Amino acid sequence: GAVVSQHPSWVICKSGTSVKIECRSLDFQATTMFWYRQFPKQSLMLMATSNEGSKATYEQGVEKDKFLINHASLTLSTLTVTSAHPEDSSFYICSAHGPGQEDSGAYEQYFGPGTRLTVT
Amino acid sequence: QKEVEQNSGPLSVPEGAIASLNCTYSDRGSQSFFWYRQYSGKSPELIMSIYSNGDKEDGRFTAQLNKASQYVSLLIRDSQPSDSATYLCAVKPWIQGGKLIFGQGTELSVKP
Repeated sequence: GAVVSQHPSWVICKSGTSVKIECRSLDFQATTMFWYRQFPKQSLMLMATSNEGSKATYEQGVEKDKFLINHASLTLSTLTVTSAHPEDSSFYICSAHGPGQEDSGAYEQYFGPGTRLTVT
Repeated sequence: QKEVEQNSGPLSVPEGAIASLNCTYSDRGSQSFFWYRQYSGKSPELIMSIYSNGDKEDGRFTAQLNKASQYVSLLIRDSQPSDSATYLCAVKPWIQGGKLIFGQGTELSVKP
């Protein structure tokens, strides 16, 4: 099956510092990865679409200078939360689908285990 | 109108009963439909995908799709306490880009 990993699984940082979260596809190549944020008792909120070798596409209202996304290879995308503040504390989850699936009927998207960020 | 709507719940069913989860979507050109299960504090797990009208069965789970009515449902037979979770309906719209549109989720509680 398609396995997506994230690192770290949880992180605590001080206000004003930056945090990097890694998302890896372990057994397949992911041309596209997605980054979500989820607050307690709320549904997933898509933050951005990460495309290998090109700039990420951010959803409306998401600050691209604060949430830096780099998709440097077909198996790795990173999300850096810059100058983190307590309101950035959330559950960050990435997902991925493999090449060729985007417009096919066999499209499936798999989620990583998530990273819980706490900013103090 | 929200793009993907689910019953807000919580839905409570006794152990062994059938749990019925419903979802409607607004984009008539949507291609693919998914049900994810999310346990508290965990990330979503794909449990069913369905692409054409009709029923699709996988073990105790049955997904039903009616594109004319823009409706997709998930039935869980012989519900178990371990099925207690939030179920997310996700729809891939016609537009390219691959992103999914999620409903707000329905919390299911299966009582022993």
